[in-house]
Amino acid sequence: NAGVTQTPKFRVLKTGQSMTLLCAQDMNHEYMYWYRQDPGMGLRLIHYSVGEGTTAKGEVPDGYNVSRLKKQNFLLGLESAAPSQTSVYFCASSYRGVGTEAFFGQGTRLTVV
Amino acid sequence: QKEVEQDPGPLSVPEGAIVSLNCTYSNSAFQYFMWYRQYSRKGPELLMYTYSSGNKEDGRFTAQVDKSSKYISLFIRDSQPSDSATYLCAVASGTYKYIFGTGTRLKVLA
Repeated sequence: NAGVTQTPKFRVLKTGQSMTLLCAQDMNHEYMYWYRQDPGMGLRLIHYSVGEGTTAKGEVPDGYNVSRLKKQNFLLGLESAAPSQTSVYFCASSYRGVGTEAFFGQGTRLTVV
Repeated sequence: QKEVEQDPGPLSVPEGAIVSLNCTYSNSAFQYFMWYRQYSRKGPELLMYTYSSGNKEDGRFTAQVDKSSKYISLFIRDSQPSDSATYLCAVASGTYKYIFGTGTRLKVLA
């Protein structure tokens, strides 16, 4: 049972490049989330999804897009990377909303130079 | 004002000590209270989960919620070097949104 798997684990991008982060969960969870974690800022919600085919903006959505075409996958896209997007990105999933445990992936360390 | 405030530490204690970690929050509507543990370069993992006020105990860990003071605590008894990690408090209301504190770094010295 893999839980929540994020791909890739590390990436270095040049300013203006694009990339997609993949999150996959095998727990049949309805809710999925993308967070970024920065020193002194804690975990901040970028986008989330309450089910297949749905997405919604979180606290810091600018510069990111997401898609949830399949229930088990949640993709985070950066269309034109900026140095301010250097961060550690975490995907999480939960069976329902906040009344159930959120399981996190191992994170993706992204550096934009 | 941040919705959740947490002292970032670092907090260093000797092995066997009782550790107290705390958070304050601003919105009385929060109903769900959690503590996550995050080891270096790993994702957070749920440690304790409490709904509404009161205490919850699990082994060496006790979570307390005081809704009248908007204060949540995590106590670790007989702390071990393996407890060295960052501890994140989180609060929630509604259906989807978890709000995390910035985390407290704990180091337990052998």
